[in-house]
Amino acid sequence: TQLLEQSPQFLSIQEGENLTVYCNSSSVFSSLQWYRQEPGEGPVLLVTVVTGGEVKKLKRLTFQFGDARKDSSLHITAAQPGDTGLYLCAGGPYNTDKLIFGTGTRLQVFP
Amino acid sequence: DTGVSQNPRHKITKRGQNVTFRCDPISEHNRLYWYRQTLGQGPEFLTYFQNEAQLEKSRLLSDRFSAERPKGSFSTLEIQRTEQGDSAMYLCASSLETGANTGELFFGEGSRLTVL
Repeated sequence: TQLLEQSPQFLSIQEGENLTVYCNSSSVFSSLQWYRQEPGEGPVLLVTVVTGGEVKKLKRLTFQFGDARKDSSLHITAAQPGDTGLYLCAGGPYNTDKLIFGTGTRLQVFP
Repeated sequence: DTGVSQNPRHKITKRGQNVTFRCDPISEHNRLYWYRQTLGQGPEFLTYFQNEAQLEKSRLLSDRFSAERPKGSFSTLEIQRTEQGDSAMYLCASSLETGANTGELFFGEGSRLTVL
């Protein structure tokens, strides 16, 4: 069974702080995606990384795909209250077109 | 609105009853996925279709669950003889096959099931 474990499970910080969310697995994935989900809505894609070691930056968010394609991280600089939500990593296995979602990290940013 | 549409948004039912959820994907998307999500957790894969063909079904899915996509457009997810453990948000997503890695999934707002 392919599992994606995220840490931390919960994160509560003040506006302006930096944070990192980790996504780890013992399985290798062809690609990895990060989604953000707000209450009452479906997840929305933030980024897709496909190359081992790849780093992508989207404004204050930096995503990295591990060299071995088993793990990923999301770093947010100077967090804002609008960043509040459930962050989900999702791996694309090599032998199927489904996405396996991680356990989720709930982020709360206080003003 | 051309996004993924799910209905009903909320369903409350008594244990033992059958329920059916419908998903209308983005019209040009050939892949359709069903996931189940409990509060604060990541979505759990249930099944997915490419056009009308059901390509994969989770081993965790009991025989009480069945999904169809008869004409390769909308899909239905039926749960027979519901149990309290079936209470969850049922999410539908669609995507366009890219031929390479799994493409972006576009999710609906979900159908929340409460089994009393």
